[in-house]
Amino acid sequence: AQSVSQHNHHVILSEAASLELGCNYSYGGTVNLFWYVQYPGQHLQLLLKYFSGDPLVKGIKGFEAEFIKSKFSFNLRKPSVQWSDTAEYFCAVTPWTNAGKSTFGDGTTLTVKP
Amino acid sequence: DTGVSQDPRHKITKRGQNVTFRCDPISEHNRLYWYRQTLGQGPEFLTYFQNEAQLEKSRLLSDRFSAERPKGSFSTLEIQRTEQGDSAMYLCASSLARGEDYGYTFGSGTRLTVV
Repeated sequence: AQSVSQHNHHVILSEAASLELGCNYSYGGTVNLFWYVQYPGQHLQLLLKYFSGDPLVKGIKGFEAEFIKSKFSFNLRKPSVQWSDTAEYFCAVTPWTNAGKSTFGDGTTLTVKP
Repeated sequence: DTGVSQDPRHKITKRGQNVTFRCDPISEHNRLYWYRQTLGQGPEFLTYFQNEAQLEKSRLLSDRFSAERPKGSFSTLEIQRTEQGDSAMYLCASSLARGEDYGYTFGSGTRLTVV
C-alpha cells in the first residue's frame, strides 16, 4: 500500500518569503502526483498535478512542484508567498495500477503574515 | 455546472442512529469517490464508483457503511448504528476516469457529529 509523508505540519512565513513544502511517498510503481489546497472556509481544490513528462509542473497562483523520482518526492514551491496563500496544503499520490484510489498526506498548514 | 454538491452540510445524530448523506457529482464525471477526514489528518479513502459500479471499498470500512450510486449519477453513503468514532467530515469527489483532467473535484463535505 502506498503512503504519503508531509514533513512540515505548520509553516509560518512573512509575505514575499519563498515557500517549499515537502512531500515524500512510498510506492514501488508508477504514480500520479497531486497537490491540493484548502483555503479557510472553502473546500479542497486541485493546485497542480503530475502525470508524466517534464518533472517540473506549474499550477495555479504561481505554484510549482518538482517530481524527483529517485527521491520519491514531489515538493511544492512558490518564490514569493502572499497573505492570500494562507491555507492547508495536501499532497496526494495515485498509483497507475489503481487510479481510483488516492492516498493523501496529513497536510501542511501555511500561515502567511502580512 | 456548479461543482460537486453534498447534502446535508452538517448532521448531528445520536449514537446508534442511522444516517445517510448524498453527493451530486459534476455531470460529465464518471468517477465518484467518498473520503473521510478527521481533524489533523488528510482525507482517508472509503470507496469509489465508476458509473454505477462500486470498484473498491476500503478494508478499514466496517459493514455498517454502505454506498450506492444508482444509474451512475448521484451517490448516497449510509452509516448504520453510528458510533462516536464515526464523527468526521465526509467528503465526496468526482473526476473523469483518465486523461489530463484526472484530478478530483471535491464537494464541501458533510460534517457528522455523533453524540
